[in-house]
Amino acid sequence: EAGVTQFPSHSVIEKGQTVTLRCDPISGHDNLYWYRRVMGKEIKFLLHFVKESKQDESGMPNNRFLAERTGGTYSTLKVQPAELEDSGVYFCASSQELAGTYNEQFFGPGTRLTVL
Amino acid sequence: GDSVTQMEGPVTLSEEAFLTINCTYTATGYPSLFWYVQYPGEGLQLLLKATKADDKGSNKGFEATYRKETTSFHLEKGSVQVSDSAVYFCALITGGFKTIFGAGTRLFVKA
Repeated sequence: EAGVTQFPSHSVIEKGQTVTLRCDPISGHDNLYWYRRVMGKEIKFLLHFVKESKQDESGMPNNRFLAERTGGTYSTLKVQPAELEDSGVYFCASSQELAGTYNEQFFGPGTRLTVL
Repeated sequence: GDSVTQMEGPVTLSEEAFLTINCTYTATGYPSLFWYVQYPGEGLQLLLKATKADDKGSNKGFEATYRKETTSFHLEKGSVQVSDSAVYFCALITGGFKTIFGAGTRLFVKA
């Protein structure tokens, strides 16, 4: 079974440009999450989808970030316009919907974003 | 709010040395606790977990015990190998789906 995949693995852009990150969750996983790790600090939650709906987007830093999950399959995270402080590693994770139990989250390899 | 604090790295050990990476947490309710590992060039992998007080999680020779009285979940391994070199993250979930991570501890193991 394929794991969570992310594309690209590394992106280098200039300040002011737009970048779109993609995440393909494990097939059948309704829950999809975005996290990021900035400057070697802790990994921080950005948002959570259940199918195509945003369940919790409390971690999105500002309105330059837009996440979508059309059709409840893959998700994209767009940063427009990118700023220097957006540099970091963006992780995606997915989990099954298991009512009443803890949903183990499976993480992708991450996308390393560098904004110059 | 909920938080996780883990020892700063990097930690450098010789092969076969004993490893401890300290982790303490602050949380409302009763969190589930986790250790994740990120090997060079790879994604985050769940290493072990414990879902209630006094539970011990274990995997690949690593162990951690959920200590409610000291709000701790220290990671230990009796004899590290070069292949254990990685970044280790302590984490928790309370109530919802959001995982709260520590800052990560980089481990270097020398042959």
